[in-house]
Amino acid sequence: GAVVSQHPSRVICKSGTSVKIECRSLDFQATTMFWYRQFPKKSLMLMATSNEGSKATYEQGVEKDKFLINHASLTLSTLTVTSAHPEDSSFYICSARLAGGSTEAFFGQGTRLTVV
Amino acid sequence: DAKTTQPTSMDCAEGRAANLPCNHSTISGNEYVYWYRQIHSQGPQYIIHGLKNNETNEMASLIITEDRKSSTLILPHATLRDTAVYYCIVRGGGSNYKLTFGKGTLLTVNP
Repeated sequence: GAVVSQHPSRVICKSGTSVKIECRSLDFQATTMFWYRQFPKKSLMLMATSNEGSKATYEQGVEKDKFLINHASLTLSTLTVTSAHPEDSSFYICSARLAGGSTEAFFGQGTRLTVV
Repeated sequence: DAKTTQPTSMDCAEGRAANLPCNHSTISGNEYVYWYRQIHSQGPQYIIHGLKNNETNEMASLIITEDRKSSTLILPHATLRDTAVYYCIVRGGGSNYKLTFGKGTLLTVNP
């Protein structure tokens, strides 16, 4: 299957700082990328959908000014958690859909964010 | 997208077939059934998907009932590495490719 790579896999940051997470499709072009977050022992919750070259669409209750998403190319999307607080500590996961009509999405390995 | 119902957890002996059920009684005609799994602290992994017909690939088989109100994911020879949370997701066709994850089934494969 297609490979999606997230970086970093783990990050610890101080409260009040910003953290950027990268999501790359390594061997395919991704028209659409999705960002999820997952709290311990909970399921994945969709945060936003990003399409290359346009603004992201955020799910209800997700602060777009806090979680900045940029999808500048067909192989890269970034999620920036701004002014991070301890409650933003979570497992963040991206997924990418192949351009050209494929229906399955492929997921990155996730990024564990800890805000201290 | 239609809601799905899965058992919270299941156990299976190593080497035996694991049959994971999923109910999706409100599924509509253009909605697909997808299965993903998530091994602890990793991103979800695509397994298989189908619309009406049964499907098989190198990982698993998907059996969809004729009325499409339920389906079963079959892992023919479960191994310890198949221990994971398995998610059954119903997704509409068209341009909305969002996947909505429920709570899934924790499958534990025992030696």
